[in-house]
Amino acid sequence: GAGVSQSPRYKVTKRGQDVALRCDPISGHVSLYWYRQALGQGPEFLTYFNYEAQQDKSGLPNDRFSAERPEGSISTLTIQRTEQRDSAMYRCASSPNPGPNYGYTFGSGTRLTVV
Amino acid sequence: QQPVQSPQAVILREGEDAVINCSSSKALYSVHWYRQKHGEAPVFLMILLKGGEQKGHEKISASFNEKKQQSSLYLTASQLSYSGTYFCGTETDRGSTLGRLYFGRGTQLTVWP
Repeated sequence: GAGVSQSPRYKVTKRGQDVALRCDPISGHVSLYWYRQALGQGPEFLTYFNYEAQQDKSGLPNDRFSAERPEGSISTLTIQRTEQRDSAMYRCASSPNPGPNYGYTFGSGTRLTVV
Repeated sequence: QQPVQSPQAVILREGEDAVINCSSSKALYSVHWYRQKHGEAPVFLMILLKGGEQKGHEKISASFNEKKQQSSLYLTASQLSYSGTYFCGTETDRGSTLGRLYFGRGTQLTVWP
């Protein structure tokens, strides 16, 4: 697609429920990143993929968080047993190749609210 | 490993200049700069690789001092459209975390007519 697409735009869920956030990167982009952004803060790294391989998941806060990109394109970030502290803007970004020569293109994000 | 940005906020009149600084406690491989307008996604401005190069994008340019582990973003003759929050993102190693960025807390820039 023309840009990085994320869905849903907004998600309100009850504490304890599982949620799945979807990211559709720019077509052909090899690298896909998940970040979380609190209000008034910079993006905080969660995990990233090159093709379908998860390269680094050290930013995932705990084992309730997981991500996959099974076919090297669309990615899903899943949060199990959501807690109020999980409320944030979750942003996906993609870049053409791994490495320092390209910037990220960020999606519009999914605003998650856990009540 | 989060870089430190300064100042936290800048208020300018149209046509004035500004400098935003980004400082890291770790050696840097690259520095990215992004601008985010309220309610929107961050937008990539430029990337600087170690080597002390300076880059430009219209009237926005940046420098990277590898030894000091610092980068600065220069906005000259600011325009209303420059308003937003500016983030630096730093890449501190090229091993298993290739491509991972640590972002600063941002500098909020407001340009008044």
